[in-house]
Amino acid sequence: KNEVEQSPQNLTAQEGEFITINCSYSVGISALHWLQQHPGGGIVSLFMLSSGKKKHGRLIATINIQEKHSSLHITASHPRDSAVYICAVSKGGGSNYKLTFGKGTLLTVNP
Amino acid sequence: GAVVSQHPSRVICKSGTSVKIECRSLDFQATTMFWYRQFPKKSLMLMATSNEGSKATYEQGVEKDKFLINHASLTLSTLTVTSAHPEDSSFYICSAPYEGYGYTFGSGTRLTVV
Repeated sequence: KNEVEQSPQNLTAQEGEFITINCSYSVGISALHWLQQHPGGGIVSLFMLSSGKKKHGRLIATINIQEKHSSLHITASHPRDSAVYICAVSKGGGSNYKLTFGKGTLLTVNP
Repeated sequence: GAVVSQHPSRVICKSGTSVKIECRSLDFQATTMFWYRQFPKKSLMLMATSNEGSKATYEQGVEKDKFLINHASLTLSTLTVTSAHPEDSSFYICSAPYEGYGYTFGSGTRLTVV
């Protein structure tokens, strides 16, 4: 079993819909990361979480340390949100430890 | 802040030649750089971790002599694919940890070996 599991693998939504992507992990972590990869391949770090909730624009990320679960929410989705969203965890102390990645969720938002 | 510039973005080379990929940290000092490979529709696979001024640490199964990593300064890490073969065709991307922020990624290099 993978240490980081994401669901769903694929998600298709209509513009304006509220979207949730889930991530569960099975190891102790120092932080959880949500990344966005666009079709061209470039990766953007959206959030780094060690507890609670963070919000940036229409994106919200939450983490429950006890349940080892995190969610990424997108409000008022737009076609430009179409991308692969990747959950990753860092297990070591500090930010210098390598990441363990989930398999990603392919989000397609139709106009 | 925390930008890593990766070049080239695309490269096509002939079998047997070598290709160098550069990752530069533009506004911070990257003491560590991670190098990943990604196959189509697959997750990122860590190839090696480079630290400025020391030898890179390679993941199991990654050929050190084929994928040469150099991290000679705090702002530059390079990956050289030596004697490239078609099976080396892939998407390569670098990433550096950025204190307090997480990780910043290069824009990736799509390598095609013909």
